[in-house]
Amino acid sequence: QKEVEQNSGPLSVPEGAIASLNCTYSDRGSQSFFWYRQYSGKSPELIMSIYSNGDKEDGRFTAQLNKASQYVSLLIRDSQPSDSATYLCAVNRGGGNKLTFGTGTQLKVEL
Amino acid sequence: DAGVTQSPTHLIKTRGQQVTLRCSPKSGHDTVSWYQQALGQGPQFIFQYYEEEERQRGNFPDRFSGHQFPNYSSELNVNALWLGDSALYLCASSLGVSGANVLTFGAGSRLTVL
Repeated sequence: QKEVEQNSGPLSVPEGAIASLNCTYSDRGSQSFFWYRQYSGKSPELIMSIYSNGDKEDGRFTAQLNKASQYVSLLIRDSQPSDSATYLCAVNRGGGNKLTFGTGTQLKVEL
Repeated sequence: DAGVTQSPTHLIKTRGQQVTLRCSPKSGHDTVSWYQQALGQGPQFIFQYYEEEERQRGNFPDRFSGHQFPNYSSELNVNALWLGDSALYLCASSLGVSGANVLTFGAGSRLTVL
């Protein structure tokens, strides 16, 4: 079982729709959770961080965390073509900066 | 405000050679981590440096080594290169070593081993 699992996609959504990206993790000791966006050939860029159960909203982005189910998700409202990228889920067990990443979900927002 | 800078951006080596990659952290940051990202994969943690010492290490062989300097910049060294080392090498910086810290990534150094 992979430590962090994501559907590789591609996930295709029409412009203006809600994109839902999901991630599960295996280590119950994980404490911090991050979503990074990575455009092709570029470095990861932080989109959201979440540390406690529930929802966290920032503009068009909402991160959701359920530690009991070991599940974290990212919702992107009003999806734009510029949102087309690979979204990486990352978790940290604490006690340092080591992040464990999933393989990423490729999102395509179509006109 | 300068972000994380890495050099070189691209390089080509042959099997058996050695390579050194360099990283300057974002202004105000004191911790540097290195990640390896193979094509189509997520980044994999190599190691982290804080106060000039290796604090955490991922599942990488001893061929991978590093250093942090007093000005917080860092180097990643890889010896005895083999084809599987071809990847994008990412440097990330942060302030301190709290697990909640947000990492800022550099643009990466793309290494090709022939």
